[in-house]
Amino acid sequence: AAGVIQSPRHLIKEKRETATLKCYPIPRHDTVYWYQQGPGQDPQFLISFYEKMQSDKGSIPDRFSAQQFSDYHSELNMSSLELGDSALYFCASSLRQGGEAFFGQGTRLTVV
Amino acid sequence: QQPVQSPQAVILREGEDAVINCSSSKALYSVHWYRQKHGEAPVFLMILLKGGEQKGHEKISASFNEKKQQSSLYLTASQLSYSGTYFCGTEDAGNMLTFGGGTRLMVKP
Repeated sequence: AAGVIQSPRHLIKEKRETATLKCYPIPRHDTVYWYQQGPGQDPQFLISFYEKMQSDKGSIPDRFSAQQFSDYHSELNMSSLELGDSALYFCASSLRQGGEAFFGQGTRLTVV
Repeated sequence: QQPVQSPQAVILREGEDAVINCSSSKALYSVHWYRQKHGEAPVFLMILLKGGEQKGHEKISASFNEKKQQSSLYLTASQLSYSGTYFCGTEDAGNMLTFGGGTRLMVKP
């Protein structure tokens, strides 16, 4: 069965650079969530989209932006990267808002 | 606001039981439970949609007390494969799925 696909799996960037993370939800899923998980921490909600519109916003820095495209894939754009942005970034999708969420394998971002 | 999980960590011997609790200060529409192995993505275990609902998944079950805004995850006759971090995720009126701080479970032989 198709799962949530995230790319890239690993990314190394320097401070002040930009990064774009991509998420391809499970087919027919209309909701996408983005989470940031630091080492040993719980996933922190960043932002979510429902039917290509921003649905909720969590602790997402102003340096980050995201969107969901017409094919329902989503991209998380991160600018002026800081060392503290190093984390595992998960994307999850669900068939409806608040439904069971299926997670991608995550993108491990390392800022040096 | 983030739900509160307890305990923060549990160490069990194979075959022992454990209960993980999750509580919220907000009215909840649903509670989700996930298990995450180190370095892997959280894996969905179950969702509880109604007050008083109980669900089971193999030897793992959960209950949801809507009035108390609490949920508990029950692990019976634990197996080594149960080791990991368990997160509850709560959905409130905003449809946002917010995770608790996690409960680290280690099952030893």
